[in-house]
Amino acid sequence: GNSVTQMEGPVTLSEEAFLTINCTYTATGYPSLFWYVQYPGEGLQLLLKATKADDKGSNKGFEATYRKETTSFHLEKGSVQVSDSAVYFCALLDAQGAQKLVFGQGTRLTINP
Amino acid sequence: KAGVTQTPRYLIKTRGQQVTLSCSPISGHRSVSWYQQTPGQGLQFLFEYFSETQRNKGNFPGRFSGRQFSNSRSEMNVSTLELGDSALYLCASSLSGMRYNSPLHFGNGTRLTVT
Repeated sequence: GNSVTQMEGPVTLSEEAFLTINCTYTATGYPSLFWYVQYPGEGLQLLLKATKADDKGSNKGFEATYRKETTSFHLEKGSVQVSDSAVYFCALLDAQGAQKLVFGQGTRLTINP
Repeated sequence: KAGVTQTPRYLIKTRGQQVTLSCSPISGHRSVSWYQQTPGQGLQFLFEYFSETQRNKGNFPGRFSGRQFSNSRSEMNVSTLELGDSALYLCASSLSGMRYNSPLHFGNGTRLTVT
């Protein structure tokens, strides 16, 4: 079945550091890929998405590129801020339109000033 | 524009009881999905409703059920609660469901604790 694997957390960085959170997936066909962010006490917010190979999603300084050859969708940001501290989830949408998201286990990110 | 509203925010129940959670989607959204979030299993899909019909269902036992009303509001019910049902239950709404590239908007969840 479809699955998503994220790098183990937690991840702790200093402000202005470079961020990479790895995400790889297993799926039949060509799923759409997403990054969601969850701040403490809140639900999930869509951060960015990509719907086909080589697409780059971007938002709020975060970027991720859909790499079909490596089945990856790594999240990157050039200079993190304390306000980026949250849990980040990589997810895929079944290409057959199963109407559900399959999530990775989440990566907790803490940014220290 | 109001977001997705889930009530109550917190709930404490005893094993064996049943519980009903409520979700009011964003105005105009016709699709409502439910997800369970636990530290051990992560985020797992429960079911999706569209125009009062269950359109998709995850791998949960029959104790978990849901429904959607004509105004798109949705409820989910868990009967005969077990300790393992303790979780954050997230509701998400979208215009027409993700098949049509309509993004999900999540509520802040209901935290259910079963003792």
